[in-house]
Amino acid sequence: DIVMTQSPDSLAVSLGERATINCRSSQSVLYSSNNKNYLAWYQQKPGQPPKLLIYWASTRESGVPDRFSGSGSGTDFTLTITSLQAEDVAVYYCQQYYGTPLTFGGGTKVEIK
Amino acid sequence: EVQLVESGGGLVQPGGSLRLSCAASGFTFSSYWMHWVRQAPGKGLVWVSRIDSDGKITTYADSVKGRFTISRDNAKNTLYLEMNSLRAEDTAVYYCGGSYRQNWFDPWGQGTLVTVSS
Repeated sequence: DIVMTQSPDSLAVSLGERATINCRSSQSVLYSSNNKNYLAWYQQKPGQPPKLLIYWASTRESGVPDRFSGSGSGTDFTLTITSLQAEDVAVYYCQQYYGTPLTFGGGTKVEIK
Repeated sequence: EVQLVESGGGLVQPGGSLRLSCAASGFTFSSYWMHWVRQAPGKGLVWVSRIDSDGKITTYADSVKGRFTISRDNAKNTLYLEMNSLRAEDTAVYYCGGSYRQNWFDPWGQGTLVTVSS
């Protein structure tokens, strides 16, 4: 199984400041034949289902604000929220879809400082 | 409007059974692979099972293999999860989710709570 490890578990960021969430996979999720990283990011607000933010590690889903960006390749990935807004308070998860079982990171809780 | 609506959750005793349903609307259900993902109270997301668009290929997490069965009825735009031999550790909100061509999840349902307790 591919183990996804997120850090930190939680972080508090001032409004308007940058939040950075890391995700590491236990093996590469880069598929060499198409040079794509099989990694997605989700946002989950309290009492709601997760919402897809990013796929292919850096492609923003339609309608997702451009303050959300994904980067990284191979085994190390980052979700960045530039200029944190109050509505961004949530738990964020990474997920690999390179192989089964499909696996998620443990989540990172983002709060306002 | 794209929508997935789960139903069938509830309180069940250890060793019991439950059948979850997920009704889809607003998109071409028969073109999507479908999944169940669960979330224990206060915990993270765990993938449970998936089924291909035709209903012929199924995959399970080791933790539920042999106890849970995923199925679908494309004529009814509905996904199912038959859960047998339930354990306390199966207690969770169960979400259904769709994936198109690649296994990221979009859309998601609102979830249904399964509680396994005596």
